[in-house]
Amino acid sequence: AQKITQTQPGMFVQEKEAVTLDCTYDTSDPSYGLFWYKQPSSGEMIFLIYQGSYDQQNATEGRYSLNFQKARKSANLVISASQLGDSAMYFCAMREGRDNYGQNFVFGPGTRLSVLP
Amino acid sequence: DSGVTQTPKHLITATGQRVTLRCSPRSGDLSVYWYQQSLDQGLQFLIQYYNGEERAKGNILERFSAQQFPDLHSELNLSSLELGDSALYFCASSRSGRLSTDTQYFGPGTRLTVL
Repeated sequence: AQKITQTQPGMFVQEKEAVTLDCTYDTSDPSYGLFWYKQPSSGEMIFLIYQGSYDQQNATEGRYSLNFQKARKSANLVISASQLGDSAMYFCAMREGRDNYGQNFVFGPGTRLSVLP
Repeated sequence: DSGVTQTPKHLITATGQRVTLRCSPRSGDLSVYWYQQSLDQGLQFLIQYYNGEERAKGNILERFSAQQFPDLHSELNLSSLELGDSALYFCASSRSGRLSTDTQYFGPGTRLTVL
């Protein structure tokens, strides 16, 4: 079974509008971390935001916020006031367990976001 | 800038050849990971080292090997290269390497083209 699902292969948003990128995950481990990364066309992978499974509040980092709904196993990324520079591929990732290694850091297939002027 | 450096940025080589990709982690990070990103397979975890020791193996081919040196930099060796090995190879680093809170920071990647 897919550990991370991103159901939107591609999305469009108008500049200055907000956009939500969906991510659902599958785990039976009570301890896990959720991450979002941005990959612009230049290729680098940029860390955006982190949410821990025990965190009581939704994570925020500048224009990025994470809508964390634990019961629904979703961790949607919200980008407010979209900018042209936000056009990129966005990956949701999860790391399970308190004490494990890299093979448990899994990525979703990504969502390609295009910001329209 | 994540603080993770990778060299070279681009590499073009022929089938059957051997190449070495190099990575320096962020200051203070003990763990290094290698990933392969190709168009058809997405981001694939290859291998992880923590403080010089191999800690986890993913979908790494036998033709590929890696190591982490005492100064914590890492090298990924790819041999008997095939056309299908053409991909973007990322190195990432993190502090501890094993906690669910451990964020991985990625280098800029090495784009390998096998002709």
